[in-house]
Amino acid sequence: QVQLVESGGGVVQPGRSLRLSCAASGFTFSTYGMYWVRQAPGKGLEWVALIWYDGTYKYYADSVKGRFTISRDNSKNTLYLQMNSLRAEDTAVYYCARGPWGGVTDAHFDYWGQGTLVTVSS
Amino acid sequence: QSVLTQPPSASGTPGQRVTISCSGSSSNIGSNYVYWYQHLPGTAPKLLIYRNNQRPSGVPDRFSGSKSGTSASLAISGLRSEDEADYYCATWDDSLSGVLFGGGTKLTVL
Repeated sequence: QVQLVESGGGVVQPGRSLRLSCAASGFTFSTYGMYWVRQAPGKGLEWVALIWYDGTYKYYADSVKGRFTISRDNSKNTLYLQMNSLRAEDTAVYYCARGPWGGVTDAHFDYWGQGTLVTVSS
Repeated sequence: QSVLTQPPSASGTPGQRVTISCSGSSSNIGSNYVYWYQHLPGTAPKLLIYRNNQRPSGVPDRFSGSKSGTSASLAISGLRSEDEADYYCATWDDSLSGVLFGGGTKLTVL
């Protein structure tokens, strides 16, 4: 069965960096777009970034553009989110989600991980 | 404030039918598929409706989606206590080149 397991969350000071990972299994990882979505405390869902199945194209929310980098290693079935220059407003639960098959940009997330909490605080 | 507008709350009694609206614009709902997600606190969000009105396997037919122009809606019939959750619409926005989520609607089963 499809499984997505996030890791790497924790407490970090403002301005520092953190890298999240999402280990995928149960499907052909290299054929699906992958996404990061977050939820800040008491807030709604917010899309963060997406990467095409082959890493060719990457898209970012304006709120993280220039600070976060999404990447993937298809040989390891793993998705990453490198987060630099972290701010208090980046505090959230970060979910990875499987997107559409192939090179499609869409809001279709059929499987989600359980999330990892990132807290940015001094 | 989200570009996709949902009512912050909705409620109904068991057995009733409730609808949740999602309003957007020509660059998002007007030109792309709409998706609906159910989210219970502390759990992973769940896909309820894809491509405007399709249900994934395992989602009861009590849940239905529709889209007209730049608006979409989710209907839940035969309301049950386990339907109490947050519901989000989502779509792609061509102008932003990104995914938009609605602000979410908290459904209470009275």
